[in-house]
Amino acid sequence: LAKTTQPISMDSYEGQEVNITCSHNNIATNDYITWYQQFPSQGPRFIIQGYKTKVTNEVASLFIPADRKSSTLSLPRVSLSDTAVYYCLVGAGQGDSNYQLIWGAGSKLIIKP
Amino acid sequence: DVKVTQSSRYLVKRTGEKVFLECVQDMDHENMFWYRQDPGLGLRLIYFSYDVKMKEKGDIPEGYSVSREKKERFSLILESASTNQTSMYLCASIAGTGNSPLHFGNGTRLTVT
Repeated sequence: LAKTTQPISMDSYEGQEVNITCSHNNIATNDYITWYQQFPSQGPRFIIQGYKTKVTNEVASLFIPADRKSSTLSLPRVSLSDTAVYYCLVGAGQGDSNYQLIWGAGSKLIIKP
Repeated sequence: DVKVTQSSRYLVKRTGEKVFLECVQDMDHENMFWYRQDPGLGLRLIYFSYDVKMKEKGDIPEGYSVSREKKERFSLILESASTNQTSMYLCASIAGTGNSPLHFGNGTRLTVT
């Protein structure tokens, strides 16, 4: 099974671009990479998902190199409200009864004014 | 919009009590999950269910059981609560396809005294 490793915490300032990298050396062929955001006293919320190369949506970009052994979540022009914990998740459903989802430990991002 | 509802945000129970945590989703998802979240340990899977009356143990099932009598409802049961089960409990659901994102409830913070 893939194991995911991400930084425990990081700081940045309003208006900056923030990149958070997750390592997943043993990622399987069928695995997708998904990032979630979690605020205190709330459940994680889906941000973005990708399989390879680059994915962009209205809130973030996800960069995945060709070997897929890592991924980088990029948050453009962060604001104070982006202060949260960000989780990397690797895996996919392999069938009805076999979900292999490997969570990273989470990266606490603190945005300063 | 997708919705996963956990019946209680906060619960305080005594050691030895039987505790029920309820979760309802309105998306007709086949798969539902119970996680617990503790500082420094991230999200750990307790049980998941891939269909009505079907369940699979996750990484830390000891001390817990689950029930899924209807597709929309997944219950987590602590047969005899202990202080080491004090934690944040998160319910999630996902559609049957392999790369669908998880949808989480807002969590139940359980304190066992």
